[in-house]
Amino acid sequence: EAGVAQSPRYKIIEKRQSVAFWCNPISGHATLYWYQQILGQGPKLLIQFQNNGVVDDSQLPKDRFSAERLKGVDSTLKIQPAKLEDSAVYLCASSRQGIETQYFGPGTRLLVL
Amino acid sequence: GDSVTQMEGPVTLSEEAFLTINCTYTATGYPSLFWYVQYPGEGLQLLLKATKADDKGSNKGFEATYRKETTSFHLEKGSVQVSDSAVYFCALRGQGGSEKLVFGKGTKLTVNP
Repeated sequence: EAGVAQSPRYKIIEKRQSVAFWCNPISGHATLYWYQQILGQGPKLLIQFQNNGVVDDSQLPKDRFSAERLKGVDSTLKIQPAKLEDSAVYLCASSRQGIETQYFGPGTRLLVL
Repeated sequence: GDSVTQMEGPVTLSEEAFLTINCTYTATGYPSLFWYVQYPGEGLQLLLKATKADDKGSNKGFEATYRKETTSFHLEKGSVQVSDSAVYFCALRGQGGSEKLVFGKGTKLTVNP
């Protein structure tokens, strides 16, 4: 079974630029999560999708962050415009509906200069 | 809100030493508890979990027991190996509501030969 795929693996941008990350969950997993992991901290949930609907986006900075999962499969997370404090690893995870175990992708490491 | 506090690192041990990484939590009701591991250059992997009080999760020689009375879920291994060098995250999933994981800050373990 293929794991959660993410791209790109690394991205360096300047502040005020925009950036997008892509995630393809494990086949058949209805629930998809985006987490932000700042250096030295644990991951923090940004947004959770159930199929193509948003379940929880309470910690998503909606003035600059957006995410979509149009067909209930892969997802895109966008930051526009980026700030220095957005430098972090962005992790995507997926799980089967109603099942607790979340499977994580390798992450995208973002550096904002 | 729900929170997880885990032992600050880094932790450095010699091969075959005993490992304990402390984890305590704050949550209402009966959360599910997890230990995730992040090997260098890789994504988060589920190491073990426990879903109710007094449950013991175990995997790869690691163990953790869900202690409701002390709100703890300490990770232990009797004899660590160099290959156990990684960052370990304690996490909880609250009872009911959102399925998001709430993580501790992580503990970096280095095992020397």
